[in-house]
This record gives sequence, structure tokens and C-alpha cells, in this order.
Amino acid sequence: QVQLQESGPGLVKPSQTLSLTCTVSGASVSRGATSTGVFYWSWIRQRPGQGLEWIGYIYSSGSTLYNPSLKSRVAMSIDTSKNQFSLNLSSVTAADTAVYYCARDYNYVPDVWGQGTLVTVSS
Amino acid sequence: DIQMTQFPSSLSASVGDRVTITCRASRGISNDLAWYQQTPGKAPKLLIYGASSLQSGVPSRFSGSGSGTEFPLTISSLQPEDFATYYCLQHNVYPYTFGQGTKLQVK
Repeated sequence: QVQLQESGPGLVKPSQTLSLTCTVSGASVSRGATSTGVFYWSWIRQRPGQGLEWIGYIYSSGSTLYNPSLKSRVAMSIDTSKNQFSLNLSSVTAADTAVYYCARDYNYVPDVWGQGTLVTVSS
Repeated sequence: DIQMTQFPSSLSASVGDRVTITCRASRGISNDLAWYQQTPGKAPKLLIYGASSLQSGVPSRFSGSGSGTEFPLTISSLQPEDFATYYCLQHNVYPYTFGQGTKLQVK
């Protein structure tokens, strides 16, 4: 059974960098394309009381694609030795306060999600 | 970006009712549409992908259809556990975009 778990600080000061890690169990982040499909690893966020926003993905090779609305501030990385992938979001403001989810994309659809972690941006 | 509009934004219904939620894309997305169910404090759960394919383990009372720009999600007979918020997601072009959600409430 594939499981994802986000971890990281729940409180970040304005202008600092938000850093989260997603630990994957039951699947390997180094697995990209298979005979049945392709896997990507994504981050999605949900501001309080609002809808969902796709942040971007990282592939097993380390290639990335980010939402243009956040592209200048986002960086993702992958650590195959730890079976983890990470999100860094720089220069945060209160508008970045949200629940952040990591997810596995199977054939381009986020199918397995972590439970989410609330990150509050406040001094 | 492709804009996804869901309607209604909220819906009151009773156990046993048949309900339909619709998602409309600002331009054609073929059948690259997924539906998620979210309950308070939980992550979204994938119900439907490819507009009409039922995710493994999801009850058959959920069905999706449509292609192009309009996509209905139907729950044939509401169960108590179905009262939740539903989101659509277009997975045709990046950046992926979600609908704003439909909250399904008990009448």
C-alpha cells in the first residue's frame, strides 16, 4: 500500500523559505516509467477555506515543472536514497499559509495523497 | 491557464437521492478530467479519472461522463458518507487546475 507523509515546520516567518519533505512508503520515487504507466511526484496546496492549487511536480530523474504563478519562488528536489522528495518555497507571505499536500501522480493523475500539513506564515 | 467552473457550488440533498455535479472547462480538455471527494480535515480522495474511469475501491454509485468542456459527476443513491466537498481537476495541460468545489450537504 502506497503512503505519503509530509513533514516540516508548521510555522514560517514572512520572507523566509518554507521547506517540506514528503516521505514515500510502498513505492519508489526512483521509479519513473513502467510498462503500465508513468509516475510523477507532486505538491498541491489548499489555502484555509479555499480550493486546491497545483504547485508542481518532480520526476524520478529530477526534472521539474512548476506552476507559473509560483515558479520564481519554488524549487523541488528528490532524494532516491531516502525515498523522499521536497518542496522549497521562498519569500513567503501570509498568502502562502495553507495545507500542503504531497501526492503521487500515476499516468498524470494525482491518485495517492499525503494527509497534508498546515504551514502558517506569521511573525 | 484553463479555468474550471463547478456548479452548483453547494447542494442540499437527502440519503437515497440521485445528484449531479457538473464541471465546465474554459476550453476543451478531451477526457482529461478527475473527480475528488474531500471530507473535513482529510486529503482529497480520487474517485474518477479520465472523466469516466472509476478508481479502484470506489463504489459504483459514483459515475462520471463527458468530454471536451462539460463533465457531470453523478451519485446514483446518496449514502451518509457521501456528504462532502467534491472537486474536479483538469489533467490535460499544465498547470493543472481545480474547480472551486461543490459542497454536498444534508437537507
